[in-house]
Formats: sequence, structure tokens, C-alpha cells
Amino acid sequence: AQTVTQSQPEMSVQEAETVTLSCTYDTSESDYYLFWYKQPPSRQMILVIRQEAYKQQNATENRFSVNFQKAAKSFSLKISDSQLGDAAMYFCAWGDSGGGADGLTFGKGTHLIIQP
Amino acid sequence: DTGVSQNPRHKITKRGQNVTFRCDPISEHNRLYWYRQTLGQGPEFLTYFQNEAQLEKSRLLSDRFSAERPKGSFSTLEIQRTEQGDSAMYLCASSTPLAGGEVNEQFFGPGTRLTVL
Repeated sequence: AQTVTQSQPEMSVQEAETVTLSCTYDTSESDYYLFWYKQPPSRQMILVIRQEAYKQQNATENRFSVNFQKAAKSFSLKISDSQLGDAAMYFCAWGDSGGGADGLTFGKGTHLIIQP
Repeated sequence: DTGVSQNPRHKITKRGQNVTFRCDPISEHNRLYWYRQTLGQGPEFLTYFQNEAQLEKSRLLSDRFSAERPKGSFSTLEIQRTEQGDSAMYLCASSTPLAGGEVNEQFFGPGTRLTVL
């Protein structure tokens, strides 16, 4: 079974600064997907960024980028130029490559606070 | 299309009652998932449908839980004889493979928050 660990229950960053959220996972699979989802207060989860395990290049989406270390089973999220709208719960998730039948395995989340 | 919708958004019930939730996925999505999220935790997978077929069920889905997806469109999740431990947010998500069969993201609905008194 897969596990996803987010060791930072809460992180705080000043507006316009950079913050990195940590995620480690454990799997015996060699081909899989990793995701970061954002869950704002009382709003639905939205995808921030995804990474295919077979790709060595780290994914980037505007101010969001990941540091994917497959051997270390690490998948951190870097948010640059933090904005007030980035405040939310952030969940790291693992997904299999076999069509998604097992659903995603999520970590417990990191609560990100943006200080104005 | 406005995304995945779920109804009701909130449900308060007494222990022992039955409840049913509905999920309407994005119309062209053939994959549908149910998750449960308790306070301070990430979502936990419950069950998966591909079209109308329920292909996977988590051990979390006890005999009191049943899910259906008639005609491969909307889905319902029923909990019979609710217990206080069933209090949680129930999330629905839908997805469809990318070209070439690559796994796509799951699009989540706003959830149904269940409170069992």
C-alpha cells in the first residue's frame, strides 16, 4: 500500500516571499503520478500541479514548481511570490498509472498561512 | 458545464437514520470517485466507478455503505444506519483519461458535509 507523508501541519510565509511544502511518499511502483491539490476554506479542491514519475524534469506552473526526487521519494512544492489567495490547505497525493482504479492516496495536508 | 456538483451540501441526521448523497460529474468524464475526509485529514478513497461499473471498493466502505452509478452518469452514495463515526465530508471527483491513456487530474466537487447526532 502507498503512503504519503506531509510533515508540516502548518506553514507561514510573508506575502511576496517563497515557501516550500514538503511531501514524502512510499511505494513499490515504478510508474505513478504525484499531485499537489489546494483546498481553500469551505471551497473545493483544485489541482495545483502534477508530475509524472517517468519524467525527470520538474513540473512548473507559473509561480508553482516542484522538486521531484524519485530515488528519495520526495515531492516538495515551492510557491514563489506568495499571494494572499494562496492561503489554503495543501495536499500531496499519489496516483497509480493503471487507470486510477485505486483512487488517490493523500497526505494529511499542510495549512499555509500568508502573512500580509 | 460548471464542474462536479454534489447535493446536498450539508446533511444533519440522527444516529440510525439512512442518508443518500448525489454526485453529478463533469459530463464527459467516465471515471467517478468517492472519498471521505475527516477533520484534519486528507481525503480517503472509498470507491471507484468506470462508467456504470463499480470497479474498486476500499475496506473503509463497510456493508452499511452502498454506491451506484446508473447509466454511467450521476452517482449516489447511501449510508444506512448512520453512526457518529460517519460524520465527515464526503467528496466526489471525476476524471477522464488524457490522449494516449495518461492519467488525468481528478476534478473534485464541493463535498457533502454529514453530521450524525
